[in-house]
Amino acid sequence: KQEVTQIPAALSVPEGENLVLNCSFTDSAIYNLQWFRQDPGKGLTSLLLIQSSQREQTSGRLNASLDKSSGRSTLYIAASQPGDSATYLCAVRPSGAGGTSYGKLTFGQGTILTVHP
Amino acid sequence: DTGVSQDPRHKITKRGQNVTFRCDPISEHNRLYWYRQTLGQGPEFLTYFQNEAQLEKSRLLSDRFSAERPKGSFSTLEIQRTEQGDSAMYLCASSWGGTNTGELFFGEGSRLTVL
Repeated sequence: KQEVTQIPAALSVPEGENLVLNCSFTDSAIYNLQWFRQDPGKGLTSLLLIQSSQREQTSGRLNASLDKSSGRSTLYIAASQPGDSATYLCAVRPSGAGGTSYGKLTFGQGTILTVHP
Repeated sequence: DTGVSQDPRHKITKRGQNVTFRCDPISEHNRLYWYRQTLGQGPEFLTYFQNEAQLEKSRLLSDRFSAERPKGSFSTLEIQRTEQGDSAMYLCASSWGGTNTGELFFGEGSRLTVL
């Protein structure tokens, strides 16, 4: 059974700092890994998606890396801003038999990020 | 592209009542998913449709839960005889099931409170 762990559970930083959020998973047979942002009481906003064959993806101040063999991904946020305060979730999608993929994502519990002005 | 929309956003009900949530996926997406999220936890998979066919159901989906996608467009999730343990955020997501990245797009969720 796939298990996803996110460390740290919470992080508080001053504005302007660069920071790294960690995600680890136990089963390396994944189709892709997706990072999401969730604001309090809201749904999930997709930030970055990394296919199993890729090593990293970048979008603006965000960079996500994937090391499938070791079961790890990191989300790097550069020059953090108060508006980055939210819960960040990573989720892995399994790689099914014959290369097909099914929609059952397994999520970590999230990292609650607070960026102080 | 209006995104994934869910209705209602909030529902407060008494134990034992039935509730129904609706999800309208992104129009060109043929895959639709329901997830449940409790406070402080990541979302947990409930069920998945490809077009109108329900292809997978989690063990979390007890007999009191039923989901439909009658015409392969919108979906409904019904909970019968609600219990306090059903209180959670119910999230809907959709994706395009063709040759693509497999990226899921989520709605804003429907928050259920059972008193």
